[in-house]
Amino acid sequence: AQKITQTQPGMFVQEKEAVTLDCTYDTSDQSYGLFWYKQPSSGEMIFLIYQGSYDEQNATEGRYSLNFQKARKSANLVISASQLGDSAMYFCAMRDGNNNAGNMLTFGGGTRLMVKP
Amino acid sequence: GAVVSQHPSRVICKSGTSVKIECRSLDFQATTMFWYRQFPKKSLMLMATSNEGSKATYEQGVEKDKFLINHASLTLSTLTVTSAHPEDSSFYICSAPKGGYGYTFGSGTRLTVV
Repeated sequence: AQKITQTQPGMFVQEKEAVTLDCTYDTSDQSYGLFWYKQPSSGEMIFLIYQGSYDEQNATEGRYSLNFQKARKSANLVISASQLGDSAMYFCAMRDGNNNAGNMLTFGGGTRLMVKP
Repeated sequence: GAVVSQHPSRVICKSGTSVKIECRSLDFQATTMFWYRQFPKKSLMLMATSNEGSKATYEQGVEKDKFLINHASLTLSTLTVTSAHPEDSSFYICSAPKGGYGYTFGSGTRLTVV
């Protein structure tokens, strides 16, 4: 069974600073994918970044990077140069298997990020 | 590409009535649709998985007779909340696999039962 843990229910960060959102996961599968999503108050799920379990390089997408430590089973999201618009809920999610065919996402509890001006 | 259109975005209904939520894949064929439920300030919990042309698979603890899921075509999956009660009030969101590894989400439906 999968489990995703986000230990920070809420975090503050000063505008223009970097922030790390923690995520640990537990799976017995060798093949899996890790995702981060942003959910603003509107409710939409905005895809941020993806890391495959066999990817050797940490994923990066603009201001977002994923600090993937496979042995520790952690997949922390780093947001650089925070902006006021980054204030939202952030969810870490995992998919078992090496593709999405029939495989659902399991979500962590989420972290509410608040960016201070 | 790979857009899922979800309607309605908000709905208020009276206790005892039924509400249908639709998710349409606009530019691709969604053979699978995942239905999630989210309580305020909580995470997304998978309710069921629907596959085109077959019965949905429900997660443990989800009432099949209350949450009817239909996936009659490759572009439409529906969730009907039957005999709704205030405790069914929640945010419901659908998601379909796309691109081999990713997922596309509907915009969600905020259901309030009064």
